[in-house]
Amino acid sequence: ETGVTQTPRHLVMGMTNKKSLKCEQHLGHNAMYWYKQSAKKPLELMFVYSLEERVENNSVPSRFSPECPNSSHLFLHLHTLQPEDSALYLCASSQGGGAADTQYFGPGTRLTVL
Amino acid sequence: GNSVTQMEGPVTLSEEAFLTINCTYTATGYPSLFWYVQYPGEGLQLLLKATKADDKGSNKGFEATYRKETTSFHLEKGSVQVSDSAVYFCALSTYGGSQGNLIFGKGTKLSVKP
Repeated sequence: ETGVTQTPRHLVMGMTNKKSLKCEQHLGHNAMYWYKQSAKKPLELMFVYSLEERVENNSVPSRFSPECPNSSHLFLHLHTLQPEDSALYLCASSQGGGAADTQYFGPGTRLTVL
Repeated sequence: GNSVTQMEGPVTLSEEAFLTINCTYTATGYPSLFWYVQYPGEGLQLLLKATKADDKGSNKGFEATYRKETTSFHLEKGSVQVSDSAVYFCALSTYGGSQGNLIFGKGTKLSVKP
């Protein structure tokens, strides 16, 4: 049973909509991550938060806006997305932000942009 | 830059066959190496990891040895089961630079037939 939950599991939105993805971790971890998994590319790291402070932003378009209000919750706010943004969005957490720390993944949100 | 290359899939095997999924990497510094598995409809789960050269990670009958001389981390299992059908991802994470920055291979889909 995963200690990382994500809601919703599936989301369909139009290009003009605004929606948010939610991630919650129950593991007492200090670092949280957003990844994008699309069919044609390897998993891509989008954002990293360590102790609620953003430490990584991998050149992600501004139509994706992360928010980490506390160490247990992570949001990804979406607005004016493009069809090519359709993908599986995975959240993960780890105890620390170090290279050897195991990241624990949630089940993902399957996003479809029409 | 850092990168991971793993064998293209899909791989189809009969139950009890021997499995090898090749993974090689390019990295600066001293990476930690991981194998993650993704079962249908789920997020990624850590399968095993190794944090220094010559370490062997093992779990659920799977093994991989961190070979610095060949920059490889091949995944092996002596006898696969139908329940091993999933997508397997090789990944690395390095010290220095961005914390917790997992770099993934493209994934190898394994199908095991009864």
